[in-house]
Amino acid sequence: ETGVTQTPRHLVMGMTNKKSLKCEQHLGHNAMYWYKQSAKKPLELMFVYNFKEQTENNSVPSRFSPECPNSSHLFLHLHTLQPEDSALYLCASSRERSRSYEQYFGPGTRLTVT
Amino acid sequence: SQELEQSPQSLIVQEGKNLTINCTSSKTLYGLYWYKQKYGEGLIFLMMLQKGGEEKSHEKITAKLDEKKQQSSLHITASQPSHAGIYLCGAENQGGKLIFGQGTELSVKP
Repeated sequence: ETGVTQTPRHLVMGMTNKKSLKCEQHLGHNAMYWYKQSAKKPLELMFVYNFKEQTENNSVPSRFSPECPNSSHLFLHLHTLQPEDSALYLCASSRERSRSYEQYFGPGTRLTVT
Repeated sequence: SQELEQSPQSLIVQEGKNLTINCTSSKTLYGLYWYKQKYGEGLIFLMMLQKGGEEKSHEKITAKLDEKKQQSSLHITASQPSHAGIYLCGAENQGGKLIFGQGTELSVKP
């Protein structure tokens, strides 16, 4: 238990569906992150929020839309996904967006796009 | 762009044996993190190394950072089945983006 929770843990969706992933941290952190982990590939940083402001978008397709209503919650809205988007989506948080602070990860959402 | 290369990619050891995992960067390292991941789950933070020559230990796991070699090593002494999992190194590149190695999968045979 790292203090970062993610729901749902597993999600199967069709290419025309719209769904959302939720992340919540109970650590009092100010930075939150979305990562994508595909088989046989390094972990890929998708989005970064620092003090509720999006500070990084690493060329992520617009079918992924993040939302950070407050420092404790982070969402990833999904629509018209492709099968290649199937992956483990990990949320993380840190005290601030700085290399001085380690990140704490949630358990991930296993997404399958059919 | 900066990359992190981990070696070996996978490792099978007998319980009680020592082992070392390496993480080599293609460019200057500004600190390095080690994480452990059970298959299909989130990453567990192990250690953070910020200065060249720094060495940290947690239980039977020791990590070192060699800035000149742009490399970090993770050493496990007297391995146990509980050490099994995927070990990932991560570092911030010059642009401040956190990047990860591809992971080293460790299996420990009882």
